[in-house]
This record gives sequence, structure tokens and C-alpha cells, in this order.
Amino acid sequence: LQLQESGPGLVKASETLSLTCTVSGGSIRSSDFYWGWIRQPPGKGLEWIGSIHYSGTTNYNPSLRSRVTVSADTSMTQFSLMLSSVTAADTAVYYCARDSRVRYSYYMDVWGKGTTVTVSS
Amino acid sequence: DIVLTQSPGTLSLSPGERATLSCRASQSVSSSYFAWYQQKPGQAPRLLIYGASSRATGIPDRFSGSGSGTDFTLTISRLEPEDFAVYYCQQYGRSLYTFGQGTKLEIK
Repeated sequence: LQLQESGPGLVKASETLSLTCTVSGGSIRSSDFYWGWIRQPPGKGLEWIGSIHYSGTTNYNPSLRSRVTVSADTSMTQFSLMLSSVTAADTAVYYCARDSRVRYSYYMDVWGKGTTVTVSS
Repeated sequence: DIVLTQSPGTLSLSPGERATLSCRASQSVSSSYFAWYQQKPGQAPRLLIYGASSRATGIPDRFSGSGSGTDFTLTISRLEPEDFAVYYCQQYGRSLYTFGQGTKLEIK
């Protein structure tokens, strides 16, 4: 299973950031897994943005909830992130990951390589 | 939100030595929802430990996790050159994942 992020590397301030994660070697259609987005500002730590189950159930970080939408494609091989009203603080490497919730253990065990998004003024 | 505080911020050790990394939670965390990750420069994080003490697939047995409640530990029994990296702890609680700020393990 491999994940690959794609989308614009440069977004203007106040606009909407849109990224897609393509899943190869599998499908997002599984009851055991959510599919998540995590970001990492330059030189800083990791921040979970949100996750989606193929059924449509979502979890969002409360600090970003008002600006975030995570959705799943009907093909079941892609899921997406939209982050509205971006500012320079949203500049980061954005990762997609498989959010495993199996046997009462929660963890992220498969990650994309990440894509850098810069917000320009 | 549950805040995870990792210590030390930087740990300087030599290959062959034992590394002990700490992660303290601001509230009690379910061990089932606690994990450790390793991140090398320019790479995505890699899952090391889940359920506080279970090694992920392919992780060498020199890595071990322990702890419960608010105090968790990642131990690397004998450091290899490839182990020098940044380590993050993570927990899931109240429908929210949070990460610690990271511990940088550097070569002394």
C-alpha cells in the first residue's frame, strides 16, 4: 500500500488549499481504517488535521475544524483535504496517512512522502 | 486537549549506548491509543510503537515502549547509526490526535 499527496505547492493568502491523496495497492474501503491528514510547519512538530472513514464519518482537529473539509472520492482510491482562508501559518509539509483503528489500537502506519505547501501574500 | 510533553528536547548519545525518551501526558491516556514515531530529515514519520508497547511491522527489537496513564517511555537498547533522528509520541483521545513536540536524538 502506498500513499501519494498531490496539489498546488503555492497558495495565495485567503484562498483555499486543496490536496489529494492517492492510494495505490489498495482501497480506502475498509472498516478498520480511517484516512488522515497531518501537517508539519517548517522546523516544527506534527499536527493532525483530520481523518475520514470511507463511510463518510470524519474527525477534525478542533483548532482547524471551521476551515477544514476532508472528503473521500467515490472511486475509493483517493481522499482530499480542503483548508479555507489560508494564512502564512498554514505553510507546511502536508502528509496523508492511513489512520488504523483496529483491535482497539489507534495509530498511523502508512504515510505518504509529503508535499510542501507555501502560502504567499 | 491532552498535551504531550516530551523530554529531553535533545539527547546526545553515542552509537552502542542506550537511549531513554520520555513522554508525559497532561491527563491519563489509554495505552491502546498511544504510539511512537521516528522521523528523519526530509522523510515522513515512521510508526515504531503502537498500543504503547507493540512494535510495528519491521521494527527492530532494540526498540521498546512502556508506560501507562500519563507516563510513557521509548527505549532504544543499543543505538545504531541509523537511529539518530527525531522521535514523536502521539495519543488519541476525545476524538482528537495530539503529538508531542519531539525529541531529537543526536550523535555525541
